[in-house]
Amino acid sequence: DGGITQSPKYLFRKEGQNVTLSCEQNLNHDAMYWYRQDPGQGLRLIYYSQIVNDFQKGDIAEGYSVSREKKESFPLTVTSAQKNPTAFYLCASSTKGPQYEQYFGPGTRLTVT
Amino acid sequence: GESVGLHLPTLSVQEGDNSIINCAYSNSASDYFIWYKQESGKGPQFIIDIRSNMDKRQGQRVTVLLNKTVKHLSLQIAATQPGDSAVYFCAENMRGYQKVTFGTGTKLQVIP
Repeated sequence: DGGITQSPKYLFRKEGQNVTLSCEQNLNHDAMYWYRQDPGQGLRLIYYSQIVNDFQKGDIAEGYSVSREKKESFPLTVTSAQKNPTAFYLCASSTKGPQYEQYFGPGTRLTVT
Repeated sequence: GESVGLHLPTLSVQEGDNSIINCAYSNSASDYFIWYKQESGKGPQFIIDIRSNMDKRQGQRVTVLLNKTVKHLSLQIAATQPGDSAVYFCAENMRGYQKVTFGTGTKLQVIP
């Protein structure tokens, strides 16, 4: 089955620890995205990547980092510099870019205490 | 700074009735618009999209209407079913820009 997977579904961390969220797609999509969703709000773009070894900051990149070493993978690291990291994180991919349908993963709910 | 979380606008519809979900978009230069459906605890799913050279597009049980004059987008769901209960987001993009801007969403509750 083609799709986009995120792991784990739930993640708990102590304040001050870095944590990496996994995102993998087997859709052969060029573009990949990371969004953050807070309760009752829309999605806010953290980082995006149009091609391997290239990525750009979105609206709320501070305290986050990404890598795109393989087309299939776009991991997100939430660093200790992120002041309010508890949120629902969504990864997405699309064929070529933002004017094409984005396919979303199931999300990772991160809780930092 | 970050905005405070808001209560989502909610639309309650009787099963079998038609639903209309509205969205005001922000950028008059946007030329691509998408509707997504998000069920609780899951990632959004694509429903339908429309480009600015059209004012109406139909899918299976869904229709999207675009009014560029007033920057308004609507999603019509025919014969609403309990499985349609979810949060619906509109999103917009301007050609040449990588960012897709999402609205805050509307919660659709279907009453059996």
